[in-house]
Amino acid sequence: DTAVSQTPKYLVTQMGNDKSIKCEQNLGHDTMYWYKQDSKKFLKIMFSYNNKELIINETVPNRFSPKSPDKAHLNLHINSLELGDSAVYFCASSPIQGQGSTDTQYFGPGTRLTVL
Amino acid sequence: AQSVTQLGSHVSVSEGALVLLRCNYSSSVPPYLFWYVQYPNQGLQLLLKYTTGATLVKGINGFEAEFKKSETSFHLTKPSAHMSDAAEYFCAVSDGGTSYGKLTFGQGTILTVHP
Repeated sequence: DTAVSQTPKYLVTQMGNDKSIKCEQNLGHDTMYWYKQDSKKFLKIMFSYNNKELIINETVPNRFSPKSPDKAHLNLHINSLELGDSAVYFCASSPIQGQGSTDTQYFGPGTRLTVL
Repeated sequence: AQSVTQLGSHVSVSEGALVLLRCNYSSSVPPYLFWYVQYPNQGLQLLLKYTTGATLVKGINGFEAEFKKSETSFHLTKPSAHMSDAAEYFCAVSDGGTSYGKLTFGQGTILTVHP
């Protein structure tokens, strides 16, 4: 009965490869997020989707492309991986319906990406 | 633009001692403030949040935080530390009123609890 799940948990790959991370939530939430946590544990938002529509897009290289096939899923595809992409990527979801909401975000367990 | 500063990347206390984790924020609009906890190899879990109303907010596991607008602070406290409190704690701010819940996080504080 996992609320927010991510696959894979660990991902080790070579520079230049393309990889995807999947996220699913079974909470019935409308909004999903991707965060990046770097080696210094600094967490920064990357993207957010509300009902499959992109609503937050921070300054992220266009090698990163989120895709939301339905509101329960938000996948992250990364092209041409670089060393600096090594990090832990967290997916989160929230029932936020719109601006001004105070709803809590629920985080997945994270995907540790290592680029060699 | 918003920002969060957590004073002290590491805090160490003895079991039973007071826990105080400091958080200061910067926001151009009334902020919504959050404390999250991250246990090793796990995702973040919400401890408590302040949106409006009472400035002293109680959360899970005996933690509480007080919003002080004049000091732009939202420090996290717990009267008596337990070994199970050892984790990393993140303070976060959202402008709530204009965003779809975009959170800006501090750099985290690792709490160590000694027997």
